[in-house]
Amino acid sequence: VQLVQSGAEVRAPGASVKVSCKAIGYTFNIYTMHWVRQAPGQSLEWMGYINPANGITKFSEKFQDRVIITSDSSANIGYMEVYSLRSEDTAMYYCARPSCIDGTCNFYFDNWGQGTLITVSS
Amino acid sequence: DIVMTQSPESLAVSLGERAAITCKSSQTVLDISNNRNYLAWYQQKPGQPPKVLIYWASTRESGVPDRFSGSGSRTDFSLTINSLQAEDVAVYYCQQYYRLPITFGQGTRLEIK
Repeated sequence: VQLVQSGAEVRAPGASVKVSCKAIGYTFNIYTMHWVRQAPGQSLEWMGYINPANGITKFSEKFQDRVIITSDSSANIGYMEVYSLRSEDTAMYYCARPSCIDGTCNFYFDNWGQGTLITVSS
Repeated sequence: DIVMTQSPESLAVSLGERAAITCKSSQTVLDISNNRNYLAWYQQKPGQPPKVLIYWASTRESGVPDRFSGSGSRTDFSLTINSLQAEDVAVYYCQQYYRLPITFGQGTRLEIK
């Protein structure tokens, strides 16, 4: 199992950025895809997830107005887009896959992408 | 939201000694219908994503050395590392997955004394 993310990006304040996460080695539609971010020197912050099987998304209230999560099941890729970027959005963004055993999934994460560094700077 | 509070923020332990980290949740994360605590522990080394060590508060992930152990229930949890090795230097996080939003502790930095 691998989650391979797109490369680092630099954006100006007010711009948007879209990060991709390609799932390799498992059936994409069986697992939700989550996004977690980590500001420099800070803890982990869960942003939200998508169920690729039906497109349903759930978000942390903090991100629901500025983040869109989508997926392309034909390509096994998940996407996370952040709008109206501000300096405090500078962080490493991770996609993560929850653990599923015997068809039951629980939201601790046994596979992570390598991370995508988003820098917001003028 | 369930707030996760870890202590200490940092910890220095001698090689071969034991390290203990605690995690308190602002609400119970125990589901009494299945008697499971929805609590996981992660290890994060510099430049790497987190790696799950423990889930269900005390179940070790496959491949994790048995010197790592988790315990606790409801709102009080701990991660113990016995016989500390140099490769255990990292930041450790607890995470609750009982209710959305998923939340993490602030992290505990473990160093060698």
